[in-house]
Amino acid sequence: GAVVSQHPSWVICKSGTSVKIECRSLDFQATTMFWYRQFPKQSLMLMATSNEGSKATYEQGVEKDKFLINHASLTLSTLTVTSAHPEDSSFYICSARDPRTSGAYEQYFGPGTRLTVT
Amino acid sequence: EDQVTQSPEALRLQEGESSSLNCSYTVSGLRGLFWYRQDPGKGPEFLFTLYSAGEEKEKERLKATLTKKESFLHITAPKPEDSATYLCAVQGNTNAGKSTFGDGTTLTVKP
Repeated sequence: GAVVSQHPSWVICKSGTSVKIECRSLDFQATTMFWYRQFPKQSLMLMATSNEGSKATYEQGVEKDKFLINHASLTLSTLTVTSAHPEDSSFYICSARDPRTSGAYEQYFGPGTRLTVT
Repeated sequence: EDQVTQSPEALRLQEGESSSLNCSYTVSGLRGLFWYRQDPGKGPEFLFTLYSAGEEKEKERLKATLTKKESFLHITAPKPEDSATYLCAVQGNTNAGKSTFGDGTTLTVKP
């Protein structure tokens, strides 16, 4: 099966600082990764689509200068929350498409990162 | 715009009490419908992909079915470890590979 990891699993930072979250595909090469945000008892909110070697595509309403996404290799995408504020506290989850599957591309999710900004 | 509506929002069952979760969808050219399971504080876990109406897939106590307008996730003789939130998502031909997720059904199975 396709395995996706995330690091760190949780992080606490002070307001105004930046935090980087890593998402790795461990047993396959992912040309496309997705970044989601999830609030308590709510569904997934897609933030951006990350494509290896090109700029990320952000969803409407997501500040691209605040949530920097870099997909520098076929196995690694990073999300940097810049100048974090308490309202950025949330559960961030990445996913990757396994190109070995044919037809529709199901997504394989990382375990998530809990960000708390104090 | 693709849309997914899941019902009920929450479902409480006794162990062994079978039931079904519903996922109604509208999509421009269905490429695939997906079911995921999410445990609290974790990322979703992929369960099934259904591609066309009439298709069925099974995994242990779970069986997913698909029509042109909706999908059902049937849970047969559930156990407490089946307690989780079940998410439905669709991918259309015109959405650049992105999936549209429903809000999920939170299933609680009491022993």
